[in-house]
Amino acid sequence: DAKTTQPPSMDCAEGRAANLPCNHSTISGNEYVYWYRQIHSQGPQYIIHGLKNNETNEMASLIITEDRKSSTLILPHATLRDTAVYYCIVRVASGGTSYGKLTFGQGTILTVHP
Amino acid sequence: ETGVTQTPRHLVMGMTNKKSLKCEQHLGHNAMYWYKQSAKKPLELMFVYSLEERVENNSVPSRFSPECPNSSHLFLHLHTLQPEDSALYLCASSQAQGQYYGYTFGSGTRLTVV
Repeated sequence: DAKTTQPPSMDCAEGRAANLPCNHSTISGNEYVYWYRQIHSQGPQYIIHGLKNNETNEMASLIITEDRKSSTLILPHATLRDTAVYYCIVRVASGGTSYGKLTFGQGTILTVHP
Repeated sequence: ETGVTQTPRHLVMGMTNKKSLKCEQHLGHNAMYWYKQSAKKPLELMFVYSLEERVENNSVPSRFSPECPNSSHLFLHLHTLQPEDSALYLCASSQAQGQYYGYTFGSGTRLTVV
């Protein structure tokens, strides 16, 4: 699976958009980009995933560059409860092994302040 | 509640004790995972069960023994642990096949070995 690079930490003011970058320059054509977050001492929570088109759901938007070598997770109106570690993971979604192994890196610690 | 339930939430055990962690999901998933998260470290994949068969064991010491009696239940049996085994133990589940490999995590068991 392709490796990802994320900044170790970011700050964001409450009510503003939080834009979390991720580089995945070695991504393969059949690998998806997944985003999870982990609030302190809880299990990680799925946020969003995508292949090459931009995606949006009730939690966030995912913008993937045309060459797919990087992506940005956007939390449109960050709240204090969005303070968490955000993980960007790339993984083939089908084929290969018969289960979906996800490998987590260090992620980005997002701190939302009042 | 995420759909994956882990018990107990907290556990303190002596190095000579035997205890078990339990994980239960009723999401219709057929792959289950144990992860370990030590302080300030990324999640480490320990074991993977796919279709009730253990398909991955990532060099985990034998003092950790997993059991998957059916697709809804996963156990981690612990014996003669060391203080460095103190960590957050997370269970997750997913579909074993198909296009989407999103995980659902439990809230974890915080284990302290004394």
